[in-house]
Amino acid sequence: AQKVTQAQTEISVVEKEDVTLDCVYETRDTTYYLFWYKQPPSGELVFLIRRNSFDEQNEISGRYSWNFQKSTSSFNFTITASQVVDSAVYFCALSEANTDKLIFGTGTRLQVFP
Amino acid sequence: GAVVSQHPSWVICKSGTSVKIECRSLDFQATTMFWYRQFPKQSLMLMATSNEGSKATYEQGVEKDKFLINHASLTLSTLTVTSAHPEDSSFYICSATDFLYGYTFGSGTRLTVV
Repeated sequence: AQKVTQAQTEISVVEKEDVTLDCVYETRDTTYYLFWYKQPPSGELVFLIRRNSFDEQNEISGRYSWNFQKSTSSFNFTITASQVVDSAVYFCALSEANTDKLIFGTGTRLQVFP
Repeated sequence: GAVVSQHPSWVICKSGTSVKIECRSLDFQATTMFWYRQFPKQSLMLMATSNEGSKATYEQGVEKDKFLINHASLTLSTLTVTSAHPEDSSFYICSATDFLYGYTFGSGTRLTVV
């Protein structure tokens, strides 16, 4: 069965600090997809990234970067030079190729203070 | 890009009444749609998976007679909360998926049962 663990419930940082959100997953499938979503107070889910299990290249998009390590089943997300607008709940999610179900982690609430 | 329209965005209903939530894929045909429920400060929990023209598959613990899902076309799925009670108050969000766009989420429906 698939499972996603986000051990950090809440993180508070001051603006301009770097912050890393952890994500550990479990799956028996060899083909799967990992995602990160941002959920601001409005409730909408904002897609950030999708990574398939065969692509372990790290990715950088502006201030965002992702570190995918199959050896430790982790897909961590780093925000560099955080800003107040980054305050939100961030979810890591996993889907297995044979089910299509997208299962979410418990989320990490990030608060960035000015 | 892919857009999923979800209506209503919020609804207040009396205990014992039924509420219908619509989820439409506007510019693509969704092979599969998913329904999630999110209680305050919690994660998104998958309720059911629906495919056009067939019965929905419910996750363990979700009452199929209470949460009726109809997926009559490739662009529309509905969730009806029957005989709603205050404990059904939650944020409901749908997701549509297809090969090209992956998962696209609606903006969610905040249900309050009084």
